[in-house]
Amino acid sequence: DSGVTQTPKHLITATGQRVTLRCSPRSGDLSVYWYQQSLDQGLQFLIQYYNGEERAKGNILERFSAQQFPDLHSELNLSSLELGDSALYFCASSVGVSWGNTIYFGEGSWLTVV
Amino acid sequence: SQQGEEDPQALSIQEGENATMNCSYKTSINNLQWYRQNSGRGLVHLILIRSNEREKHSGRLRVTLDTSKKSSSLLITASRAADTASYFCATDRQGGSEKLVFGKGTKLTVNP
Repeated sequence: DSGVTQTPKHLITATGQRVTLRCSPRSGDLSVYWYQQSLDQGLQFLIQYYNGEERAKGNILERFSAQQFPDLHSELNLSSLELGDSALYFCASSVGVSWGNTIYFGEGSWLTVV
Repeated sequence: SQQGEEDPQALSIQEGENATMNCSYKTSINNLQWYRQNSGRGLVHLILIRSNEREKHSGRLRVTLDTSKKSSSLLITASRAADTASYFCATDRQGGSEKLVFGKGTKLTVNP
């Protein structure tokens, strides 16, 4: 158990809909990261937050947005969903902002868009 | 964009044998990390090696880094069936805006 909690574990939704994925980082971790894993694209970095502020941005679509709240939990919002958004979405956390820190991953949220 | 490329894509060995996986990357890095992922589960951090280190050990794991060749290897000695998983290398590029970048992984199967 990494200490990173993600909900929901599984989600099935229709195209055009909007979903919110939730992440609670490990106790004491200030950085939260979101990754998307699909068969064809592999693991893609989406976005990083540190202590409530956006820190780094990767291949995140404009239809997707994220935020980190004062209690350090984070949410990833996916809107206008398309079939190609079906993937495993991971949240991860680390103590600091540096990528030299060990990053701990949650178990992921399986999103299926039908 | 993928920074790390693992090789081979798939590896099947018998229990007790050693498994070697390689990772090549394209640009200068600060650190390289190896992760393991059991099917459909989260990634588990195995080891981090910094760009000024050449070799690191952790239990049955041995990681080497050759920055001149832009490559790393992960050796698992005396493999067990429980080592069956996908193994990913991840790099953080020096000066890159895109942070920890993962390869597509090596799928290791250890047969009992």
